[in-house]
Amino acid sequence: DGGITQSPKYLFRKEGQNVTLSCEQNLNHDAMYWYRQDPGQGLRLIYYSQIVNDFQKGDIAEGYSVSREKKESFPLTVTSAQKNPTAFYLCASSPGTTSGELFFGEGSRLTVL
Amino acid sequence: GESVGLHLPTLSVQEGDNSIINCAYSNSASDYFIWYKQESGKGPQFIIDIRSNMDKRQGQRVTVLLNKTVKHLSLQIAATQPGDSAVYFCAENLRGGADGLTFGKGTHLIIQP
Repeated sequence: DGGITQSPKYLFRKEGQNVTLSCEQNLNHDAMYWYRQDPGQGLRLIYYSQIVNDFQKGDIAEGYSVSREKKESFPLTVTSAQKNPTAFYLCASSPGTTSGELFFGEGSRLTVL
Repeated sequence: GESVGLHLPTLSVQEGDNSIINCAYSNSASDYFIWYKQESGKGPQFIIDIRSNMDKRQGQRVTVLLNKTVKHLSLQIAATQPGDSAVYFCAENLRGGADGLTFGKGTHLIIQP
């Protein structure tokens, strides 16, 4: 079945460590996105990519980095510079570059100990 | 601040009743709106969407109404069922392009037996 796969589902990290969250899609979508969700909050855009080898900062990019070397993959690295990394991270994709539905993965919950 | 917001953080309805979830948006240039349902610990699921050239759209048990005059969006769920318990988010394409959707904070719908 086509879809978006995020891994790991749960991740624990010590302060000062970088962690990378995986996002893979087999929907042949051009655009991919990373959102952060805090308890009782909506989703906030971290980074997005409209095409391979290109990506743009979203509203809260500080302390995060991404890469888009392949169309189907858009990993997110949470660096030690991110001051409050504990959150639920959601990856999404969409078919094109005009406004439309985003398809979401099941999320990755990162907890900093 | 958020350009998409919800009037009530929690809505409690009796099973079998109709539910109405409201959303206000601030950008008159937004041309696409969407409702998502999110169950605890999962990614958002598409419910229904609407473009700005429409004022009403119906799906299975759900209806979205768009009032551009007052910049208001609502989701109506008919004959609410226990499985409808979730957080519901409205989102808009704020910037009219491929940089994703801007989400409100969400409304928690609770179904009472």
